[in-house]
Amino acid sequence: AQTVTQSQPEMSVQEAETVTLSCTYDTSENNYYLFWYKQPPSRQMILVIRQEAYKQQNATENRFSVNFQKAAKSFSLKISDSQLGDTAMYFCAFMKIRQETSGSRLTFGEGTQLTVNP
Amino acid sequence: DAGVTQSPTHLIKTRGQQVTLRCSPKSGHDTVSWYQQALGQGPQFIFQYYEEEERQRGNFPDRFSGHQFPNYSSELNVNALLLGDSALYLCASSGGRDKNIQYFGAGTRLSVL
Repeated sequence: AQTVTQSQPEMSVQEAETVTLSCTYDTSENNYYLFWYKQPPSRQMILVIRQEAYKQQNATENRFSVNFQKAAKSFSLKISDSQLGDTAMYFCAFMKIRQETSGSRLTFGEGTQLTVNP
Repeated sequence: DAGVTQSPTHLIKTRGQQVTLRCSPKSGHDTVSWYQQALGQGPQFIFQYYEEEERQRGNFPDRFSGHQFPNYSSELNVNALLLGDSALYLCASSGGRDKNIQYFGAGTRLSVL
């Protein structure tokens, strides 16, 4: 079974600054995906970024980038130029790659509440 | 293009009752997954439906059951409600070119009194 651990229950950052959220995971799988989702007060889970384990290059999406360390089973999210709208709960999630056409399940961490202060 | 829609938004039930939650997937998606999110915690996988069959199941009792219809929409049923079933229930859909990205609805907040 896979486990995902987020050791920072809460974090805060000043607007326009950079913040890094941590995530570690445990798995015996070799092929998998890692995700960061954000959940604002509206409750809807929104995909931020995805990393394929077989890719060495770290994924980036505009102001969001990851530091993926496969050997250390670490997957951190860096948010640059933080904006007030980034305030949300952030979840790290793991997905084993399945060959079946229906895809697989997500295993989530406990989340990190990020507050961006003006 | 409508995203994932869930109904109802909020629901209040009493212990022992039964509840049905509904989900319509994003256009072009054929797979629906259900998650339970207790207050202050990460979502926990309940089960996944594809081609009208339950394909995967998490560690939830048989009181939790589901269904998928030919139009890919889905229902989550919970029987004999317990206080501990109070949570946000999230539906996620996937499919098309990239079946490994799940898109979520805004959830149904269930309160059991």
